[in-house]
Amino acid sequence: GNSVTQMEGPVTLSEEAFLTINCTYTATGYPSLFWYVQYPGEGLQLLLKATKADDKGSNKGFEATYRKETTSFHLEKGSVQVSDSAVYFCALSERGYSTLTFGKGTMLLVSP
Amino acid sequence: DAGITQSPRYKITETGRQVTLMCHQTWSHSYMFWYRQDLGHGLRLIYYSAAADITDKGEVPDGYVVSRSKTENFPLTLESATRSQTSVYFCASTEDGTYEQYFGPGTRLTVT
Repeated sequence: GNSVTQMEGPVTLSEEAFLTINCTYTATGYPSLFWYVQYPGEGLQLLLKATKADDKGSNKGFEATYRKETTSFHLEKGSVQVSDSAVYFCALSERGYSTLTFGKGTMLLVSP
Repeated sequence: DAGITQSPRYKITETGRQVTLMCHQTWSHSYMFWYRQDLGHGLRLIYYSAAADITDKGEVPDGYVVSRSKTENFPLTLESATRSQTSVYFCASTEDGTYEQYFGPGTRLTVT
């Protein structure tokens, strides 16, 4: 079956530090890959996505590249802000299926 | 209001009682989903629906019942609540083929 593995948190950074959150996946086909973000007390919001190998998704300064050879979709940001503090979820969806498989989430805490 | 809403936002109930969580979306999306979020487990799919009158089990369906008589509504019922069903429940929807899901704000359910 499909699965998504994320690095465990919390990840604690100072403002303006570089962020990487690792995500690897297993899938039987060619999935689409997503990063969702959950701010405190809210539902999940789509942050970025990539639908095929070597695609780069980007939004709000965050980036992730779909690496088929390493089955990875690591999330990066060059300079984090306090407002980026949230839980980040990596997810995949197999083609032809509308269900998502989520990782367990990684909490990011950014201090001033 | 446009979007996806859930009610109630908070609910406390006793073991053995029946509880229904409501989900309503205004986009006429084909697919709707129910997830539960628990520490250490991330998001787990309970049930989903591809269209009115079509529902299917997810990863953790036991103890839950769903129905979908109208496209815009997807209620989740706990027929006899147990303490293990204490969780935060999220509803989501997506248009067929896009794989991008839109989440409601969540319902925090406590079973005493």
